[in-house]
Amino acid sequence: AQSVTQLGSHVSVSEGALVLLRCNYSSSVPPYLFWYVQYPNQGLQLLLKYTSAATLVKGINGFEAEFKKSETSFHLTKPSAHMSDAAEYFCAVSDTGRRALTFGSGTRLQVQP
Amino acid sequence: DAGVTQSPTHLIKTRGQHVTLRCSPISGHKSVSWYQQVLGQGPQFIFQYYEKEERGRGNFPDRFSARQFPNYSSELNVNALLLGDSALYLCASRPELALNTEAFFGQGTRLTVV
Repeated sequence: AQSVTQLGSHVSVSEGALVLLRCNYSSSVPPYLFWYVQYPNQGLQLLLKYTSAATLVKGINGFEAEFKKSETSFHLTKPSAHMSDAAEYFCAVSDTGRRALTFGSGTRLQVQP
Repeated sequence: DAGVTQSPTHLIKTRGQHVTLRCSPISGHKSVSWYQQVLGQGPQFIFQYYEKEERGRGNFPDRFSARQFPNYSSELNVNALLLGDSALYLCASRPELALNTEAFFGQGTRLTVV
């Protein structure tokens, strides 16, 4: 079975600071990996995805993530945080057996002025 | 273009009752999935349907069922509601079954069981 672990349920950064949200995955087969963002009382919006092409993936709103097979990681970064980045972020892996997404428990990002 | 639409947006039910949640996928999308998101947790997979057939099921009791209609819209049914069924229920659609394609999510139905 595939799984993801998100380290840190809450992350707080200052506006303009680097954002780093951590995600480690477990998979017996090459995974497809995703980062989603959820704003309060909203559904999920895709930020970026890794599907075995380039290991450095660029997404929307200035976010990017690097797939590191040796570390089984897919951490999300953004060079400079903006107040509008405050939200819940979820890492997910495709579950080939059930054809579903398996989500991590999420990281709530706070951006301080 | 309309995204994934879910109805109703909010719902309050009593323990033991039955509930039906509805989802309309993006036009042209044939795959619909359902997820349950309990407060403070990540979404958990319930079902996936493609071309009106069930293609995947998560670890949920038989009280949960779903179906997909010829126009690709879908219903999620939950019988004998428990307090623990209180959650945000999310519907997602994809053009096809391919796992490397983006799943587009609706805004969800917030179900409260009292």
